[in-house]
Amino acid sequence: DTAVSQTPKYLVTQMGNDKSIKCEQNLGHDTMYWYKQDSKKFLKIMFSYNNKELIINETVPNRFSPKSPDKAHLNLHINSLELGDSAVYFCASSQGGPYGYTFGSGTRLTVV
Amino acid sequence: AQSVTQLGSHVSVSEGALVLLRCNYSSSVPPYLFWYVQYPNQGLQLLLKYTSAATLVKGINGFEAEFKKSETSFHLTKPSAHMSDAAEYFCAVRPNTGNQFYFGTGTSLTVIP
Repeated sequence: DTAVSQTPKYLVTQMGNDKSIKCEQNLGHDTMYWYKQDSKKFLKIMFSYNNKELIINETVPNRFSPKSPDKAHLNLHINSLELGDSAVYFCASSQGGPYGYTFGSGTRLTVV
Repeated sequence: AQSVTQLGSHVSVSEGALVLLRCNYSSSVPPYLFWYVQYPNQGLQLLLKYTSAATLVKGINGFEAEFKKSETSFHLTKPSAHMSDAAEYFCAVRPNTGNQFYFGTGTSLTVIP
């Protein structure tokens, strides 16, 4: 059983397209996150939801919109994709407190 | 705001040699501290964590880290490097309040045969 699963694993698309990445966790965690990892491996937080409520909304283009239909799911929709959006996007979940994140295996987005 | 500094973006060690990856944090109150490992083309996996119990924390794959409050450090060590340890390592901090983690910029470990 995969704890945090992301789909798709790879996504190649043209500039200007709209795409979505889905994330689901079966750990019962209340909080979920989206991170962007660039080519230098730097991890940047994008969004966080706690029990379907947006709690972290970092400075990202408003072309990125998260959606959490329930606390087990956090999807990421990206409009009008640009070359600079190419990166690996990680979903993660956490119980809070002293507990760490559990990460998904990532979605490698390539915009051509 | 919290910050996490990992000294050395690239570290190379010989197989069998000591691994030392450095992490310093900025916080007046000791936070929760974590080390994650990322193997090529994979997600991040928790290696170990400090949560205010023992200052020397043992993790998976023979890694351990020592919390030193006076130095605001949480360095990761392994006595003897193995080829399979080659990966990217991230130090992360979570304040005692709030939900956000703060990650360091990562250290890429190369193990030389």
